[in-house]
Amino acid sequence: AQKVTQAQTEISVVEKEDVTLDCVYETRDTTYYLFWYKQPPSGELVFLIRRNSFDEQNEISGRYSWNFQKSTSSFNFTITASQVVDSAVYFCALRGNYGGSQGNLIFGKGTKLSVKP
Amino acid sequence: DSGVTQTPKHLITATGQRVTLRCSPRSGDLSVYWYQQSLDQGLQFLIQYYNGEERAKGNILERFSAQQFPDLHSELNLSSLELGDSALYFCASQSRDGELFFGEGSRLTVL
Repeated sequence: AQKVTQAQTEISVVEKEDVTLDCVYETRDTTYYLFWYKQPPSGELVFLIRRNSFDEQNEISGRYSWNFQKSTSSFNFTITASQVVDSAVYFCALRGNYGGSQGNLIFGKGTKLSVKP
Repeated sequence: DSGVTQTPKHLITATGQRVTLRCSPRSGDLSVYWYQQSLDQGLQFLIQYYNGEERAKGNILERFSAQQFPDLHSELNLSSLELGDSALYFCASQSRDGELFFGEGSRLTVL
């Protein structure tokens, strides 16, 4: 079975602090993809990153960085120097190459990040 | 802007009623997914269509149905509505390289 666990339900930080959102996944697929999405208070789901299972290189995009470790089945997301606009719910998601639902994403429960000024 | 259009954005209705949510995928995308986001269940996959045909089914109730039309827009029909159906319903279209692009969602409130 495929599963995504985001153990942190809510995190609150003060602006300019660094914050890491944890994501642990389970899958039997050898090829799979991991994603992070952001859901601001307005409700839409905004795509942040996709990583495939063969690429364990960490990625940095501005203040955002992602740490993918297959050995621990984790795909953690760090925001450096957080800002109030980063306040949102962040979802980690998994997609495998499995059966007829190749595009289906399995989402974690999300982590609500509040960044206070 | 993801290019995926969902209507209506908000909908309030009563128990027992039926509603239809509409989704227009991005130009050129053939596949449409429907997801339900509720407070207790999180984001759950309901159903997928590809070029007019049902491709995969998730946790979709029998009271719910969907279809994809020749112009590739999709509709999600929810009937005999219950309080617990109140949720945010997302549509996503899938690009040729497999990415899912989500619409802004339709917020359904059942009173």
